[in-house]
Amino acid sequence: AQKITQTQPGMFVQEKEAVTLDCTYDTSDPSYGLFWYKQPSSGEMIFLIYQGSYDQQNATEGRYSLNFQKARKSANLVISASQLGDSAMYFCAMRGGSGGSNYKLTFGKGTLLTVNP
Amino acid sequence: KAGVTQTPRYLIKTRGQQVTLSCSPISGHRSVSWYQQTPGQGLQFLFEYFSETQRNKGNFPGRFSGRQFSNSRSEMNVSTLELGDSALYLCASSLGGGTPYTGELFFGEGSRLTVL
Repeated sequence: AQKITQTQPGMFVQEKEAVTLDCTYDTSDPSYGLFWYKQPSSGEMIFLIYQGSYDQQNATEGRYSLNFQKARKSANLVISASQLGDSAMYFCAMRGGSGGSNYKLTFGKGTLLTVNP
Repeated sequence: KAGVTQTPRYLIKTRGQQVTLSCSPISGHRSVSWYQQTPGQGLQFLFEYFSETQRNKGNFPGRFSGRQFSNSRSEMNVSTLELGDSALYLCASSLGGGTPYTGELFFGEGSRLTVL
């Protein structure tokens, strides 16, 4: 079975500094996709970044980058130059695995990020 | 380009009633999946549809059902509501073709259900 582990229930960062949110995953299948989502207090789930297991380079989207270390089964999110609006819950998720027939997203428990002015 | 639209955004029901939630995916997306989010259980997968066919189903009782129409819009229904069904129900859409591990998924704003 697939599993996502986010070991940081909460994180604090100063505005304009970079922060890394940890994510490790467990799957025996070589084919999978990794996702990060942001969920503000309003509840909407905002897509941030995606990394496929066969992608050679780490994904980047603006201030977001995904530090993908396949051998360690790690997919950490790096947010550069934090802004007050980045304060939210962040979820790591995985899709695929299990023989390549699994279409569901498996989520971690999330990390609550607070950006201090 | 319009995003994923979920209706209604908020609703209150009483135990024993049923509820139907609607999701309109991004134009051109053919896959729709549903998730339940509660403080205790986190985000849990309900089911996924592609071209009107259910491809995956999560571990929820038969009271939870869904369907997808030919225009890719999807509905989910919960019958005989229980207090524990109070949750945020999120719908996600994706292109859906190819393998399940490729492509991005985009979520709607969710339908917040309260069962009294």
